[in-house]
Amino acid sequence: NAGVTQTPKFRVLKTGQSMTLLCAQDMNHEYMYWYRQDPGMGLRLIHYSVGEGTTAKGEVPDGYNVSRLKKQNFLLGLESAAPSQTSVYFCASRNYGQGQGPQHFGDGTRLSIL
Amino acid sequence: KNQVEQSPQSLIILEGKNCTLQCNYTVSPFSNLRWYKQDTGRGPVSLTIMTFSENTKSNGRYTATLDADTKQSSLHITASQLSDSASYICVVSGDQTGANNLFFGTGTRLTVIP
Repeated sequence: NAGVTQTPKFRVLKTGQSMTLLCAQDMNHEYMYWYRQDPGMGLRLIHYSVGEGTTAKGEVPDGYNVSRLKKQNFLLGLESAAPSQTSVYFCASRNYGQGQGPQHFGDGTRLSIL
Repeated sequence: KNQVEQSPQSLIILEGKNCTLQCNYTVSPFSNLRWYKQDTGRGPVSLTIMTFSENTKSNGRYTATLDADTKQSSLHITASQLSDSASYICVVSGDQTGANNLFFGTGTRLTVIP
């Protein structure tokens, strides 16, 4: 049981380049999330999804887009990367109902924008 | 404003010693509070959950307490081990339902030295 898998694990981009981060979960969870984690700031929500075909903005959505075409996948896109987007990105999933179970996190994508 | 504050920001202790991490929150309404452990280079993993009616809960050498009246929680680690070195994140859930109802602390970085 893999849980939440993020690819790639590391990436270096130049300013202005685009890329897509992939998150896949095999737990049949409805909710999926993208966070960024920066030193001293904790985890901040970028976008989230409550089900296939639906997405919503979080706390820091600017400069990012997401898609959830399949229930098990949640994609995070950077259309034109900026140095301020250098961060560690975490994907998480969670079941809904039943007392709101814990979030299950991937191991992160470390992204550097030069 | 819904906030979660953790203290201290960082802590260094000797192996075998005990320590206590603090979490204060202003989230309302309150559903539950979770403590997560995040090892270096990994995603956070849930340690324990506290609901409104629970005062204390143990998970091995980890004991969490909750005072819903003062909106404070603590995580006590007994007989620390080198493997306890990690960041500990307090996450408060704001209501019973909904996907975007989680409030994160910035974490306490614990270092256990031999």
